[in-house]
Amino acid sequence: GENVEQHPSTLSVQEGDSAVIKCTYSDSASNYFPWYKQELGKGPQLIIDIRSNVGEKKDQRIAVTLNKTAKHFSLHITETQPEDSAVYFCAASTNAGGTSYGKLTFGQGTILTVHP
Amino acid sequence: EAGVAQSPRYKIIEKRQSVAFWCNPISGHATLYWYQQILGQGPKLLIQFQNNGVVDDSQLPKDRFSAERLKGVDSTLKIQPAKLEDSAVYLCASSPREVSFLFYNEQFFGPGTRLTVL
Repeated sequence: GENVEQHPSTLSVQEGDSAVIKCTYSDSASNYFPWYKQELGKGPQLIIDIRSNVGEKKDQRIAVTLNKTAKHFSLHITETQPEDSAVYFCAASTNAGGTSYGKLTFGQGTILTVHP
Repeated sequence: EAGVAQSPRYKIIEKRQSVAFWCNPISGHATLYWYQQILGQGPKLLIQFQNNGVVDDSQLPKDRFSAERLKGVDSTLKIQPAKLEDSAVYLCASSPREVSFLFYNEQFFGPGTRLTVL
């Protein structure tokens, strides 16, 4: 089955700096890569996703890049703000086929702390 | 649009007791998922329903966990009997469409139920 590794496990930055979180995956059939933000006491919330036919996607201060050959993808947050502090999870999935049925496999999470 | 609803939000039980969690997905969503999230880890899929049928329960410990989604709407997850290692947050998520090679199925998560087994 799919295995997703996420680094770093904790990340501390100053307000206004950039933050980068990296993930690698093992299953070459994976073709959908979402990123979730989880705040304390809440469920994960989708912040951005990328399909395997795209190399990069941006949404305001957030961007995601995908390298299919190397099987890794990254989340980039620019101009970080204290409200960006949360746990971030990457995930990988195939949208169909075999026994996957669109199952998401999550990384271990990164605790991001943005200091004012 | 109302989000995914879960109850209770918190539950504390003794080991070997039984517990049940309830989930009401976003209205009209075809696919429903239950995840287990142990402290400090990412969510792990337990079971996936498409309408009222199970499509993946390969990681559900069937000797103690059971789940159902009657009428293809809300769902319950039960643990009987509970073990100490079942302490976790149980997350429910739903997706608008049936799983298909044509679509990428965004998942919307509820707030979770935090279970503590003593």
